[in-house]
Amino acid sequence: DVKVTQSSRYLVKRTGEKVFLECVQDMDHENMFWYRQDPGLGLRLIYFSYDVKMKEKGDIPEGYSVSREKKERFSLILESASTNQTSMYLCASSLRGFKQFFGPGTRLTVL
Amino acid sequence: KQEVTQIPAALSVPEGENLVLNCSFTDSAIYNLQWFRQDPGKGLTSLLLIQSSQREQTSGRLNASLDKSSGRSTLYIAASQPGDSATYLCAVKSNAGGTSYGKLTFGQGTILTVHP
Repeated sequence: DVKVTQSSRYLVKRTGEKVFLECVQDMDHENMFWYRQDPGLGLRLIYFSYDVKMKEKGDIPEGYSVSREKKERFSLILESASTNQTSMYLCASSLRGFKQFFGPGTRLTVL
Repeated sequence: KQEVTQIPAALSVPEGENLVLNCSFTDSAIYNLQWFRQDPGKGLTSLLLIQSSQREQTSGRLNASLDKSSGRSTLYIAASQPGDSATYLCAVKSNAGGTSYGKLTFGQGTILTVHP
């Protein structure tokens, strides 16, 4: 079975801090994704990557950046965390054109 | 811009009932459609994926259908059980020039409760 892991289940940070969310998959998938999920707004795509060192903006990239230096790892970076970035963050991976497999999520609270 | 709508927003049924969850999308130029399950506070689990050329997919008690021309998909759950209680999400992958790079657009989900 595909395993997608995220570095933390729960994270509490202060406004202005730099935050790193890590995602690792073990199935050699080309595609990796970062979403955030908010009540009433559903899941929204922040960034995705279809290869090492490649990245594409999703629907809501503002305030975020990403890094993909190795195929199995996709990092989401909040350069200066703000309270409106309090959310559930979900990472996913897939082979091209196939099912997306999700990690357990990181619930980030920015105070 | 693709929009995905799921009806109903919430559904409560007694154990053993067969039920149907609905998903509609506005742009029929899709690559595939995927149904997910999400338990409270957890990530998403993929249930079924239907490619744009397919009409349905089955897995155990689950059957998903796709009518691309009308922009609709249904998820049929047979003989529902309390363990089926979760939020069910429909997601459409757009057809980005025929490639697989198109992003997923999610519906808001249907919260299903199956009571004993």
